[in-house]
Amino acid sequence: EIVMTQSPATLSVSPGERVTLSCRASQSIGTNLAWYQQKPGQTSRLLIYGASTRATGVPARFSGSGSGTELTLTISSLQSEDFAVYFCQQYHKWPLTFGGGTKVDI
Amino acid sequence: QVQLQESGPGLVQPSETLSLTCSVSGGSMRNYYWSWIRQSPGKGLEWIGYIYFGGAINYNPSLGSRVSISLDMSNNQFSLRLTSVTAADTAIYYCARVVVVGYHDFWGQGTLVTVS
Repeated sequence: EIVMTQSPATLSVSPGERVTLSCRASQSIGTNLAWYQQKPGQTSRLLIYGASTRATGVPARFSGSGSGTELTLTISSLQSEDFAVYFCQQYHKWPLTFGGGTKVDI
Repeated sequence: QVQLQESGPGLVQPSETLSLTCSVSGGSMRNYYWSWIRQSPGKGLEWIGYIYFGGAINYNPSLGSRVSISLDMSNNQFSLRLTSVTAADTAIYYCARVVVVGYHDFWGQGTLVTVS
């Protein structure tokens, strides 16, 4: 199976900062990658699919880039509501696999 | 807006069978795949398997023959059965809708199942 590795595990930042989260695949996945946001007490939210396409209603401050084995999620200016756990998922090959997540906190 | 809600026992005894149901509202189950995913501290998020409204099913090989997923479109539900559970199956279990290529656009809130 394709192993997805996210880094860093935790990121301590301040509102307004630019944040870059990394997702590395153990083999090339093209652009078959999705990013999700997870907050306590809420359902997980799809942010990005196809490595760079924002899902409906996702603010423009979220952007995805990269292809192959190195993919990135960038939050251009962190808002208070963005403090959460972010995880990536590849859908290039079955079984679907997820990264371990990056927690973005203050 | 599509909504999913997991339901089922929160405590299962070792060697028994875990059974969960996901109720789907706000949309049809047709033309979509429907996944079960779990999250445990030791293993992060793990995709369990999916079922298509037409009946196609795909399971994660890591769970072998212990897992089965079924669909009840008349009640807008799909279900998970995991047999011979151990403490390693303790996790938050999520159901989610799958866009055909393989990413998940709507999720349930998750339900904690403890094997003890």
